[in-house]
Amino acid sequence: SQQGEEDPQALSIQEGENATMNCSYKTSINNLQWYRQNSGRGLVHLILIRSNEREKHSGRLRVTLDTSKKSSSLLITASRAADTASYFCATGGLGGSNYKLTFGKGTLLTVNP
Amino acid sequence: DSGVTQTPKHLITATGQRVTLRCSPRSGDLSVYWYQQSLDQGLQFLIQYYNGEERAKGNILERFSAQQFPDLHSELNLSSLELGDSALYFCASNSGGNRNEQFFGPGTRLTVL
Repeated sequence: SQQGEEDPQALSIQEGENATMNCSYKTSINNLQWYRQNSGRGLVHLILIRSNEREKHSGRLRVTLDTSKKSSSLLITASRAADTASYFCATGGLGGSNYKLTFGKGTLLTVNP
Repeated sequence: DSGVTQTPKHLITATGQRVTLRCSPRSGDLSVYWYQQSLDQGLQFLIQYYNGEERAKGNILERFSAQQFPDLHSELNLSSLELGDSALYFCASNSGGNRNEQFFGPGTRLTVL
């Protein structure tokens, strides 16, 4: 089963609006990462937040992490049509599982011009 | 361009056949990861190699196998193919472990007829 569960499954907004995607996970983590995938292409790493961090920014991206609730959010501000893609959260585990990432099923974001 | 290359881009074959997918990691990366992405299962981790040795195993079928060669390129072998094996297969690389981002290749789209 997937470690991360993104919410919503699909999101449609207008250019210029902000987009917020959420991710919940089940087990303790070392870090949480967000990736973007344009239709049928490879994943592109966006941002990594470690378990001892609460918030991180990168350009128009803002990620928060709440380890007590086992959840994270990705905010994209001032969205553009080029942001249209699927967004995945991925968790890096601890101990024996610390060599792999576990991905959620993703949020499909559509930004309408 | 992530620096990870995968060949071939597309592969169409018949049930019962065997195929080999190839991946060249980014220069200097010792870890290679293989993922399968399908509509129903999402993005599933298959297996990881680090400097030629298997490091972690995920939901990889017994009909599938992989190896990493001394020059660090990796191959994923899929045998006795079934219709359900049709999917996108991604290779990713990094310097090792899940503490850092992974760099994904463009994928191989496998269609089993």
